[in-house]
Amino acid sequence: KQEVTQIPAALSVPEGENLVLNCSFTDSAIYNLQWFRQDPGKGLTSLLLIQSSQREQTSGRLNASLDKSSGRSTLYIAASQPGDSATYLCAVNRDDKIIFGKGTRLHILP
Amino acid sequence: DVKVTQSSRYLVKRTGEKVFLECVQDMDHENMFWYRQDPGLGLRLIYFSYDVKMKEKGDIPEGYSVSREKKERFSLILESASTNQTSMYLCASLRSGRALTDTQYFGPGTRLTVL
Repeated sequence: KQEVTQIPAALSVPEGENLVLNCSFTDSAIYNLQWFRQDPGKGLTSLLLIQSSQREQTSGRLNASLDKSSGRSTLYIAASQPGDSATYLCAVNRDDKIIFGKGTRLHILP
Repeated sequence: DVKVTQSSRYLVKRTGEKVFLECVQDMDHENMFWYRQDPGLGLRLIYFSYDVKMKEKGDIPEGYSVSREKKERFSLILESASTNQTSMYLCASLRSGRALTDTQYFGPGTRLTVL
């Protein structure tokens, strides 16, 4: 059974620093991996999607990597800003089911 | 842009009431999902549907049922609401799920409180 783990559960970082969020999964047979952002009381917004054959994807200050063999993904945020404060979730997609991690709650300190 | 809408942002119901949560997507997606999200437990899949009139149980289907009479609409039904069903409910849609580039789109969520 696929399990997705995100560590740490919460992280506080001073504004301007670069940071890395981690995601690990137990079954490497996935179609893709996705990183989402969730603001308090809101739905999820997709940030980046990495196909199983890809190693990384970039969007602005965000870079996501995927290492299927080790069952790991990272989300790198460069030059963090207070507006980056949110919960970040990763999810793996296999067949018609998508399995989520519990998320990392990120707080950027002004 | 894909739009996934949910009928209510906030809902307060009493124990024993029958509750309907509606979700509509406008991109002709095959797959639709209902999750609940609770602190410390993350998102848990209640039910999903990969076609009209088709449904599959997720990880926590007990106490819930679903209906998908039209492709764009997926309803979650709490037959007899209980206090332990107080939660944030999130609906999502996905084009096919088997394509490498398919991304899941979420609605804004419904925060349900059962008194």
